[in-house]
Amino acid sequence: EAQVTQNPRYLITVTGKKLTVTCSQNMNHEYMSWYRQDPGLGLRQIYYSMNVEVTDKGDVPEGYKVSRKEKRNFPLILESPSPNQTSLYFCASRTVGSNQPQHFGDGTRLSIL
Amino acid sequence: LAKTTQPISMDSYEGQEVNITCSHNNIATNDYITWYQQFPSQGPRFIIQGYKTKVTNEVASLFIPADRKSSTLSLPRVSLSDTAVYYCLVGTDIYNQGGKLIFGQGTELSVKP
Repeated sequence: EAQVTQNPRYLITVTGKKLTVTCSQNMNHEYMSWYRQDPGLGLRQIYYSMNVEVTDKGDVPEGYKVSRKEKRNFPLILESPSPNQTSLYFCASRTVGSNQPQHFGDGTRLSIL
Repeated sequence: LAKTTQPISMDSYEGQEVNITCSHNNIATNDYITWYQQFPSQGPRFIIQGYKTKVTNEVASLFIPADRKSSTLSLPRVSLSDTAVYYCLVGTDIYNQGGKLIFGQGTELSVKP
């Protein structure tokens, strides 16, 4: 089954404790992206990757890092999480070309205390 | 990147047809219009995509006037399970727009019995 898998689905942690949210897709998609969703603000893009070893900032990259060492994986790293990063996070992937739609994961709800 | 404007919320009753309009005055020649549906605590899901005139699939229809400055998602005979947030997204192939994708705030559709 074609899917985008995020882990963990839920996490409560404390300020300053490094954490990584993993994202994996099994569709051989070149493009992957991370979004955060907050009430009243919709989906905002954090980082995206056009292919392996190619990443770039979205609209809200501050406080986040990403890496794309393999085509299927695109982890989101919070080196020193802060309470304002409490949010619902989504990973997405798609193939490039031909205006193909994105496939989204089920989300990761992070609470930073 | 074309900015989109949608109504924040809409109410409907079961069995009615629902039309959600998205304004995108700055749409570029190569831009496509894509609609996603999002249920609570789930990732957005592709519904329909179009470039001009009318597109129909098993879920919805998309109407795009000749000037392409707006588009209307039409959901025939909605049911309670159509209660969700609907996002309009305007863009072209990822390579042409550098990978950034912008979602608006979406339209929260509430279907009542």
